[in-house]
Amino acid sequence: QITLKESGPTLVKPTQTLTLTCTFSGFSLSTSGVGVGWIRQPPGKALEWLALIYWDDDKRNSPFLKNRLTITKDTSKNQVVLTMTNMDPVDTATYYCARFAYYGSGSFDDWGQGTLVTVSS
Amino acid sequence: DIVMTQTPLSSPVTLGQPASISCRSSQSLVHSDGNTYLSWLQQRPGQPPRLLIYKISNRFSGVPDRFSGSGAGTDFTLKISRVEAEDVGVYYCMQATQFPLTFGGGTKVEIK
Repeated sequence: QITLKESGPTLVKPTQTLTLTCTFSGFSLSTSGVGVGWIRQPPGKALEWLALIYWDDDKRNSPFLKNRLTITKDTSKNQVVLTMTNMDPVDTATYYCARFAYYGSGSFDDWGQGTLVTVSS
Repeated sequence: DIVMTQTPLSSPVTLGQPASISCRSSQSLVHSDGNTYLSWLQQRPGQPPRLLIYKISNRFSGVPDRFSGSGAGTDFTLKISRVEAEDVGVYYCMQATQFPLTFGGGTKVEIK
């Protein structure tokens, strides 16, 4: 059974850096074709892709967030960490991590429950 | 960037009746490897998204066969043959052919 769980602060202040951790089980990020991505959803709005890291450490970030995003993995801990700098109230959203199956579905086929992050002073 | 446009925004449906959602991409989703990475996801109220359909028409594990996907190139459709109460939620199309990955704006399916 595949599970993913997001963890991190629920409240951050403007200009601060957000660090979110995705802890997963039921698969390994050292397996060829596997990736883990981050997707966010502002309240009442649509999904927005943020970043993706592959089994071979290839990384892709959303160009809309320019240089604010960093994604890393710790294969031994089954974790993926997303950092987002210079947080703003518009970054208030539920942040999801999800498994990406590059050689399978070619999509996000398992999702965490999400964590709501509020940006406010 | 590939823009994904969904219609309608909202789809009120009678239980047991069919529903159809359209998704159009601003450019072809055919990848150089020959696959078309167009997926459909369902988000029930208060829940995370769930993969329904991948590569246009393949149902993901555990997805009922009343859900079907079709299309090619830039035009895609999700159909629910007979809507059930548990199908209420927002449906998103997503393309993974080209970075940045992009989602449609969502279509809300509700019961009349």
